[in-house]
Amino acid sequence: EVQLVQSGAVVKKTGESLRISCYGSGYNFTNYLISWVRQMPGKGLEWMGRIDPTDSFTKYTTSLQGHVTIAVDTSAATAFLIWNRLTDSDSGMYYCARHRDAIRFDPWGQGTLVTVSS
Amino acid sequence: QSALTQPASVSGSPGQSITISCTGTSSDIGAYNYVSWYQHHPGKAPKILIYDVSQRPSGVSNRFSAAKSDNTASLTISGLQPEDEADYYCCSYARGVTWVFGGGTKLTVL
Repeated sequence: EVQLVQSGAVVKKTGESLRISCYGSGYNFTNYLISWVRQMPGKGLEWMGRIDPTDSFTKYTTSLQGHVTIAVDTSAATAFLIWNRLTDSDSGMYYCARHRDAIRFDPWGQGTLVTVSS
Repeated sequence: QSALTQPASVSGSPGQSITISCTGTSSDIGAYNYVSWYQHHPGKAPKILIYDVSQRPSGVSNRFSAAKSDNTASLTISGLQPEDEADYYCCSYARGVTWVFGGGTKLTVL
């Protein structure tokens, strides 16, 4: 079974760094792009960016460029979403999703709840 | 990239049909036949219902159907069931190798 399993909920303070993970199993991890999607409290889904595990080439939505980094460790079949400096507005649920046929998102991870407070 | 426009909520009674619209622009929905739809029960992982405008993945009920015309896509759910109550999101591939989601529609089964 193809699965993406994400790291657990985390509580951090403003200005701290954070790395959350997404482990892929049941398929060849390097053959599929991975995207990160966020859902802020009470809001809809928002595509953040994606990475090609083959060469670590990344593409981000314009508003988040420079604020987050997407990375992979292919030896561990794991993708990461990294913040160097969290802000209050980073609180939300974060999902990773595998690209199927490069376009559709299937499957999704179970989500990681990030809470940032001052 | 602005979010696609969906109605905030729709409702229907069991057995009825409902349609959710999703309006974009000529840079996303209107430019590509890469619209997908996702069902999201709160607290669970989103699930794909439709891809490439109207294709259903194996295992998805044929009660779910979708279409596209110009810059607007739509999802129809027929024979509403209580378990269909969830949030529904459209998504489109967009120029610049990016993806854009709709704001989401909350479906209430009365």
